[in-house]
Amino acid sequence: KQEVTQIPAALSVPEGENLVLNCSFTDSAIYNLQWFRQDPGKGLTSLLLIQSSQREQTSGRLNASLDKSSGRSTLYIAASQPGDSATYLCAVLGYQGKLIFGTGTRLQVFP
Amino acid sequence: EAGVVQSPRYKIIEKKQPVAFWCNPISGHNTLYWYLQNLGQGPELLIRYENEEAVDDSQLPKDRFSAERLKGVDSTLKIQPAELGDSAVYLCASSTSGDYNEQFFGPGTRLTVL
Repeated sequence: KQEVTQIPAALSVPEGENLVLNCSFTDSAIYNLQWFRQDPGKGLTSLLLIQSSQREQTSGRLNASLDKSSGRSTLYIAASQPGDSATYLCAVLGYQGKLIFGTGTRLQVFP
Repeated sequence: EAGVVQSPRYKIIEKKQPVAFWCNPISGHNTLYWYLQNLGQGPELLIRYENEEAVDDSQLPKDRFSAERLKGVDSTLKIQPAELGDSAVYLCASSTSGDYNEQFFGPGTRLTVL
């Protein structure tokens, strides 16, 4: 059974810092991996989707990497801003077509 | 293009009462998902529809939960009777047909059972 773990569970940093959020999964037989952002009381916004054949994806200040063989992904946020404060969720899509989520990293960026 | 629409956004009920949530997927998306998100947890799939057919309802507690998607577009998720432990966020998502297409999520319905 696929399990997805995210470390750390919470993170508080001053504005301007570069951050790394970690995601690990137990079954490397995945179709893709996705990073989402969730603001309080809101739904999920997709940030980056990495296909299993890819190593990384970039969007603006965000960069996500995937090492399928070791079951790991990282989300790198450059020059963090207070507006980046949210919960970040990692999810893997297995070959059963089911999206399995981690428990998230709650990020707070203070001015 | 409009996103996934859910209503109500918030619902407070007393235990043992029934409750229903509604979802309108993105136009042209034949696949619809209902997820349950408990506080501090990631979403977990309850049921997945391909058009009108429920193709995966293995995680749906069928003693009190039911869902329908009669015309293959809108969907309703119902709980009857609600229990205290049902307090959570109920998320709806949609995608184009197939197992491996990107899912787009709605804002969710936050249910509080007193």
